Amino acid sequence: QAVLTQPSSLSASPGASASLTCTLRSGVNVDTYRLYWFQQRPGSPPQYLLRYKSDSDWQQGSGVPSRFSGSKVTSANAGILLISGLQSEDEADYYCMIWHNSAWVFGGGTKLTVL
Amino acid sequence: QVQLVQSGAEVKKPGASVKVSCKASGYTFTSYDFNWVRQATGQGLEWMGWMNPNSGQAGYAPKFQGRVTLTRDTSIRTAYMELTSLTSEDTAVYFCARNIRDTGNFDFWGQGTLVTVS
Repeated sequence: QAVLTQPSSLSASPGASASLTCTLRSGVNVDTYRLYWFQQRPGSPPQYLLRYKSDSDWQQGSGVPSRFSGSKVTSANAGILLISGLQSEDEADYYCMIWHNSAWVFGGGTKLTVL
Repeated sequence: QVQLVQSGAEVKKPGASVKVSCKASGYTFTSYDFNWVRQATGQGLEWMGWMNPNSGQAGYAPKFQGRVTLTRDTSIRTAYMELTSLTSEDTAVYFCARNIRDTGNFDFWGQGTLVTVS
């Protein structure tokens, strides 16, 4: 089982909110990790969005709109990337990442479609 | 402005090696670590390893241990990723990315280098 699991796709309407999940494998406790989120548009390198561990330990990437925010659902052992006020330019792949066992580990990515 | 500029596309035969470069500008070269991440066509991101350009210390993902080497030349502000014993499974775009030490803030990325093994 992968360390980080993301749904392969998600669709949402312009102006709505999208909640992208990153579920940690059982035994890998989300509360002990900083989760990092990246956006990748087709044909471009990934772009750092933000990191989130708790409401007192988080950081927005430089120039990243406040429409992008992070949170956690401890009961689901998952991290969340919330995108509010969806715009067409938000259509992209989104990846989560953690530092686990002395290595950076990426989730498989979620393709967000805005339609 | 910060820039990471990678070397051009490569075509290699199975069993060969490839060395990709990543030239940094716009910041103090030794103040940020380098990471290498690859992405096969239509697939997700895969982390390969990190390097501290100040000390030369490097760490590798278990999958690539023994097959990848990360180095740097501080005189020309360039980081390198060498991958040996190439197979078709190594066909991918390879990215360098800098990060603030001990964080996952991969805040600047190179444009990517396509390596084709055929």
